[in-house]
Amino acid sequence: TAGITQAPTSQILAAGRSMTLRCTQDMRHNAMYWYRQDLGLGLRLIHYSNTAGTTGKGEVPDGYSVSRANTDDFPLTLASAVPSQTSVYFCASSPGGNEQFFGPGTRLTVL
Amino acid sequence: KQEVTQIPAALSVPEGENLVLNCSFTDSAIYNLQWFRQDPGKGLTSLLLIQSSQREQTSGRLNASLDKSSGRSTLYIAASQPGDSATYLCAVDPLIDNQFYFGTGTSLTVIP
Repeated sequence: TAGITQAPTSQILAAGRSMTLRCTQDMRHNAMYWYRQDLGLGLRLIHYSNTAGTTGKGEVPDGYSVSRANTDDFPLTLASAVPSQTSVYFCASSPGGNEQFFGPGTRLTVL
Repeated sequence: KQEVTQIPAALSVPEGENLVLNCSFTDSAIYNLQWFRQDPGKGLTSLLLIQSSQREQTSGRLNASLDKSSGRSTLYIAASQPGDSATYLCAVDPLIDNQFYFGTGTSLTVIP
């Protein structure tokens, strides 16, 4: 079982460009989450989805959008990247709000 | 908003020592609390999940306790090994919203 996969592993992006971070899970979990992890700030929730077809805003949603067309995929889009979005991004899933399982992360640098 | 604190930020112990990591949270109305391990440059690995109705959970050399009324959880690691070196994070799932709130972690180094 693959669990949660994220792509790309890392990316360097010019400011102003758009990018989509991909997240796929094969555990049929209803809930999925996107976090960013920054030194000294810990993990902060960007967006979440409790089930396919629904999404919600987390603590730091500005500059990011998500969609949940099906159970398995939860892409995160940066429409116009800025340097403050340089971070490590983690996708997670949960079988209905209990234990969370995390992907390996995407390291994004915006120049 | 739930605030989660982990103290100390870093801890160094000799191999074989028993140790306790601390996690405190400001709002006792939680659904569950989860402990994770994170190795450098890696994702988070779930260690233990404690439901709000439980007081502790055990897995091998790990034991996590939960005291909701005082807003505290501890992760006890018995007979520490160099392979236990990592950052340990706790996360709280409140009852009222869809977020998990994370502490900033304790970086543990076990010296051979």
